Amino acid sequence: GESVGLHLPTLSVQEGDNSIINCAYSNSASDYFIWYKQESGKGPQFIIDIRSNMDKRQGQRVTVLLNKTVKHLSLQIAATQPGDSAVYFCAETGYSTLTFGKGTMLLVSP
Amino acid sequence: NAGVMQNPRHLVRRRGQEARLRCSPMKGHSHVYWYRQLPEEGLKFMVYLQKENIIDESGMPKERFSAEFPKEGPSILRIQQVVRGDSAAYFCASSPERFEAFFGQGTRLTVV
Repeated sequence: GESVGLHLPTLSVQEGDNSIINCAYSNSASDYFIWYKQESGKGPQFIIDIRSNMDKRQGQRVTVLLNKTVKHLSLQIAATQPGDSAVYFCAETGYSTLTFGKGTMLLVSP
Repeated sequence: NAGVMQNPRHLVRRRGQEARLRCSPMKGHSHVYWYRQLPEEGLKFMVYLQKENIIDESGMPKERFSAEFPKEGPSILRIQQVVRGDSAAYFCASSPERFEAFFGQGTRLTVV
């Protein structure tokens, strides 16, 4: 079965709002996590990553939070823009592979 | 530095034909991963290769599918005797080590 899953399949927000996309993982041995953005017809685009020895990492307009106690990962997007509309995947790395969840569709309305 | 290059972007094959998908990793990357994606689904791991070696092929179907990453040239995902169920987007990713995988734009295979 899936070792990485997302709570919400679709998230609709207004432009300018902050967005939070959540992800649960089941493999406590995973030591590296990545968030990807996938636009229609394109390949996944690396957004931000975090290692298991961290609980927070910030990028440009994005923040990833890792809670190892409850095996939960979240992606926060500040001041969401229409260009952020896409499917977002979290992925975890075990020994050799990236395991992906099914994705959350983020829809940003102007 | 060019990104991960996959070709062709679109491939149409009749049932029973062979499909060959190519992936050129980013410069300096020696790790290659192949994933398959069905519409509105996540990416399913197929195979992980390093130069001339298959590291993990736990996601590859036992029959008809094979992958290679030769010392020179691109990585190839080969599907023999394609069936309609093979229709999907196939993505390749590369990384300099086992982290930070960067994806190509994918090959969309349609079996008619």
